[in-house]
Order: sequence, then C-alpha cells, then structure tokens
Amino acid sequence: DIQMTQSPSSLSASVGDRVTITCRASQSISSYLNWYQQKPGKAPKLLIYAASSLQSGVPSRFSGSGSGTDFTLTISSLQPEDFATYYCQQSYSTPPSFGQGTRLEIK
Amino acid sequence: EVQLVESGGGLVKPGGSLRLSCAASGFTFSSYSMNWVRQAPGKGLEWVSSISSSSSYIYYADSVKGRFTISRDNAKNSLYLQMNSLRAEDTAVYYCAREGIVVVPAAMDGYYYYYYMDVWGKGTTVTVSS
Repeated sequence: DIQMTQSPSSLSASVGDRVTITCRASQSISSYLNWYQQKPGKAPKLLIYAASSLQSGVPSRFSGSGSGTDFTLTISSLQPEDFATYYCQQSYSTPPSFGQGTRLEIK
Repeated sequence: EVQLVESGGGLVKPGGSLRLSCAASGFTFSSYSMNWVRQAPGKGLEWVSSISSSSSYIYYADSVKGRFTISRDNAKNSLYLQMNSLRAEDTAVYYCAREGIVVVPAAMDGYYYYYYMDVWGKGTTVTVSS
C-alpha cells in the first residue's frame, strides 16, 4: 500500500500570506494526486485533481504542482475562509490513501 | 443539484450490525463508481470501500474486509454499506463519495485515467460502544 505523508501537520498563517503544503508518496504515483479541503463538521471538498488541475468553482488562488513522489498545494493569498484542514490523496492504486492532514490556523 | 445523502448511522454495541444508505440525486448514478470514506473522531480520512458503476468491481480496506459489504441499487439511485461484527474502532463519521474521472490522451498512445472523489455527502455517524 502507498503511504502519503504531509508536512507540516499544522501551520499558522495570516490573511494575505502565501502558504505551501507538501505531500510525499512512499513510491512514485505519477500525477495521481488529489487535494481536499475540510472545515470542522463538514464533508471534504475537492480542490485539485491530477496534481495540478483546479476543480470547477475553486478559486484560482489554489494551485497544485508536482509529480512522482513530491507534491505541493499552494494558496497564493490566504483568505479567512481558507482556514481549514487539507488532505492529499493518491489515486494511483487501490487502496486509495490519504495523508494525515495539515491543519491551517489563523496566526 | 448534485447531492448525496447518507443515513442509517447510530449507536450499536460491539459485535452488532448496521446498514448505511446513501441516496444520490442530480446526476446519472448508474454511470459512476462510488466510495465509502470514514473519519474517526479527531482523526483523518480513511477510505473504506468502493464499487464500480455496474457492481463488477468491489474493493475493501483491509481493516473492514470480511466484515463490511458494499452494494448498490442503480434503479433506486442508492449505495449501501452493510457493517457486521462492529468494533469500537469502527466509530466514525461515514461519508459516501462519488468517483469522478478525467481521461487524458497520453503522449505516445493510450490514455491516462485520473480518479478523484468530487461529490461528498454530509456523512452519517456510527458509534460502536457498549
């Protein structure tokens, strides 16, 4: 099974900051990497699929990059509604696996 | 509106059973593979099971294999998860999620198939406790 590791586990930032979250796979997964946002008490929401494709309706301040084993999610200018937990997920092989999450908090 | 609504959660004793349902609307349910994903209190997301559009392909996480059964009824636009021999560690919010796919032509020949979970229900809570 493929293990996904995110860093950092938590992050404090301010509105307007540029933020980067990293996800590393235990083996190469090409571009089979998705990013989700989850707010407390809510279901996850798809942000990015295929490593860098923006899901419809997601603001352009979100972007994804990477391939192979190393991936990043970048928020170019943090907005108040972006404070949430972010998960990466590989869809290269079954079982699909998620990272442990990165909690983004207000500084 | 594309929507998934889970139901069937509740409090059950260890060793007991529960059947979760997920009602789909606003899209052609029979064209999509579906997933169950769970989240234990204060923890991250864990994939549980998936089923292809025609039920031909079914997969389970090792943690639930032999105890849980996924199924679907395309005529009723519904997804199910039968959970038997429940354990305390099965306590979680259970989400159903649609599996989206995008097909991209490869540089040489063939295609790349990218899968993702693009529609999620609000979840139903399962608590296993004596």
